[in-house]
Amino acid sequence: GAGVSQSPSNKVTEKGKDVELRCDPISGHTALYWYRQSLGQGLEFLIYFQGNSAPDKSGLPSDRFSAERTGGSVSTLTIQRTQQEDSAVYLCASSAQSGAAKDTQYFGPGTRLTVL
Amino acid sequence: AQRVTQPEKLLSVFKGAPVELKCNYSYSGSPELFWYVQYSRQRLQLLLRHISRESIKGFTADLNKGETSFHLKKPFAQEEDSAMYYCALSGGSNYKLTFGKGTLLTVNP
Repeated sequence: GAGVSQSPSNKVTEKGKDVELRCDPISGHTALYWYRQSLGQGLEFLIYFQGNSAPDKSGLPSDRFSAERTGGSVSTLTIQRTQQEDSAVYLCASSAQSGAAKDTQYFGPGTRLTVL
Repeated sequence: AQRVTQPEKLLSVFKGAPVELKCNYSYSGSPELFWYVQYSRQRLQLLLRHISRESIKGFTADLNKGETSFHLKKPFAQEEDSAMYYCALSGGSNYKLTFGKGTLLTVNP
């Protein structure tokens, strides 16, 4: 079946603009994760959604970052007033069951964000 | 706090040689350890997890709690093993993955 998809694949924006990144998880997966992959920093957890529970936002680096998940499926990561340090690849992953670490996270191809 | 350390950014070996990618972790409880791989122009994917105790593509990894290590090994490297390898940890009910910074493995012909 179809894997996790993300759009756009690339986004170039100017400093100070807002951007929205989209993630479509695998159908039926209740858990959804956002990570950021930046040069020299590796992969960092940003936010986690599980069903109707309140999301875990503990990894969001600032209040300029927010995310929502509508209808328990598609998720949007929004970055307001982008800064150059926001430039990174943003990865989305989904897994089948709630929060259990045993469940495999399936990753999307990522959105490469460049802030000029 | 959870931490994963991959001491080698780059590792280069010849085809047929043994390869070991090192991973050390810091976690106060009982962790779950994973190896993820990203081949060129492909998405990140799970290679193996310690709980499964399986061998995938000839790779194995043993969790050593005494040394807090989860090194990835393969006795005979192949050119198609060239990729970025990430070690990751998930602690108890904490579902978040904490990743190491990755090791770029190059297998030369």
